[in-house]
Amino acid sequence: KNEVEQSPQNLTAQEGEFITINCSYSVGISALHWLQQHPGGGIVSLFMLSSGKKKHGRLIATINIQEKHSSLHITASHPRDSAVYICALTLRSHKAAGNKLTFGGGTRVLVKP
Amino acid sequence: NAGVTQTPKFQVLKTGQSMTLQCAQDMNHEYMSWYRQDPGMGLRLIHYSVGAGITDQGEVPNGYNVSRSTTEDFPLRLLSAAPSQTSVYFCASSWTSGNTIYFGEGSWLTVV
Repeated sequence: KNEVEQSPQNLTAQEGEFITINCSYSVGISALHWLQQHPGGGIVSLFMLSSGKKKHGRLIATINIQEKHSSLHITASHPRDSAVYICALTLRSHKAAGNKLTFGGGTRVLVKP
Repeated sequence: NAGVTQTPKFQVLKTGQSMTLQCAQDMNHEYMSWYRQDPGMGLRLIHYSVGAGITDQGEVPNGYNVSRSTTEDFPLRLLSAAPSQTSVYFCASSWTSGNTIYFGEGSWLTVV
């Protein structure tokens, strides 16, 4: 069983729609990261969470430590939001091991105009 | 600040050749790491470092060497390139574990 599961794997939305991506994990973590990767592009860190909720522009990330679940929401989606969104964990057991990440499988988002 | 800088961005190598992927960061981050990204495999950790002079192996270290002589630089050496090393390579850095991670723009490597 994977330590981190993302859903859905693929998502298509119309411009302006509200998008939710989910990440569930089964291990103890010290942090959860949401990453964005555009096709053929680099990886950008959107959020790093250890508790609660963070907001940046149209993006909102939440985490429930007790339920071992995080969500990434995109409000008023736009075609430029089309990308792969990756949930990644810094495991509590890796705290002394650099920025080792355990990755989810990614969610490919396509926003149509 | 330039952030995390990787060079080269694209490289074609012949089997058996050696090369070094360069990674430099100007944020005084202690932690640096190298990942490779393959279709259908996601990102996998090659080597990482928690500070100058300290390196360790990740998930897929075979065929790669690293060193960390300064805080800023973390080069990845391919000793004798193989087609299986065709991949996209990302360097990443952060202050410590559990902090925001900054990625380089990636290096696209093809071994023929």
